Amino acid sequence: EVQLVQSGAEVKKPGESLKISCKGSGYSFTSYWIGWVRQMPGKGLEWMGSIYPGDSDTRYSPSFQGQVTISADKSISTAYLQWSSLKASDTAMYYCARRGAWDHFDYWGQGTLVTVSS
Amino acid sequence: QTAVTQEPSFSVSPGGTVTLTCGLRSGSVSTSYYPSWYQQTPGQAPRTLIYSTNTRSSGVPDRFSGSILGNKVALTITGAQADDESDYYCVLYMGSGISAFGGGTKLTVL
Repeated sequence: EVQLVQSGAEVKKPGESLKISCKGSGYSFTSYWIGWVRQMPGKGLEWMGSIYPGDSDTRYSPSFQGQVTISADKSISTAYLQWSSLKASDTAMYYCARRGAWDHFDYWGQGTLVTVSS
Repeated sequence: QTAVTQEPSFSVSPGGTVTLTCGLRSGSVSTSYYPSWYQQTPGQAPRTLIYSTNTRSSGVPDRFSGSILGNKVALTITGAQADDESDYYCVLYMGSGISAFGGGTKLTVL
């Protein structure tokens, strides 16, 4: 069974760094892109970027380029989303999702809620 | 502003049929964008409904169908039920590993 399990909720202060994770299981982790999707409170879904764990090829939405870093450790089947200096506007739910064979997101993580507040 | 457009809201009566659309601010949507559709209810992760324009994901009822409608892609719900009341998002694959979400449509069943 394909599963994506994300790390737990985080509460951080502005300026702090953060790295959240998404662990894949039940499939060949290196053979599928993993995407990250943001959902700000009461708002829609936004694609942030994707990584191909097989070779760490990474693509970013222009809106998020330079704001976050996406990485993966294929040895432990885990993808990451990290910030070096959080802002209050980073408060959101973040989902990881596997990009399936037909370029759609076929499996989703449960989401990680990130709250940034002083 | 997202380049992928959706109706912000729509309403349908129980048992009725509704068609939600997904387009591009400039240009036409075609099957080469591998359009997909997702349903999200409050507090839940998105659920994949349709991929590659018109293929239902496993376990999705056949009252959900996808198609190309003119220069847009469409999601049609036939025989709407109360638990279809959700937010619906389309995603287009823009190539080079890049995906784009539409702004979402809030569907009310009343």
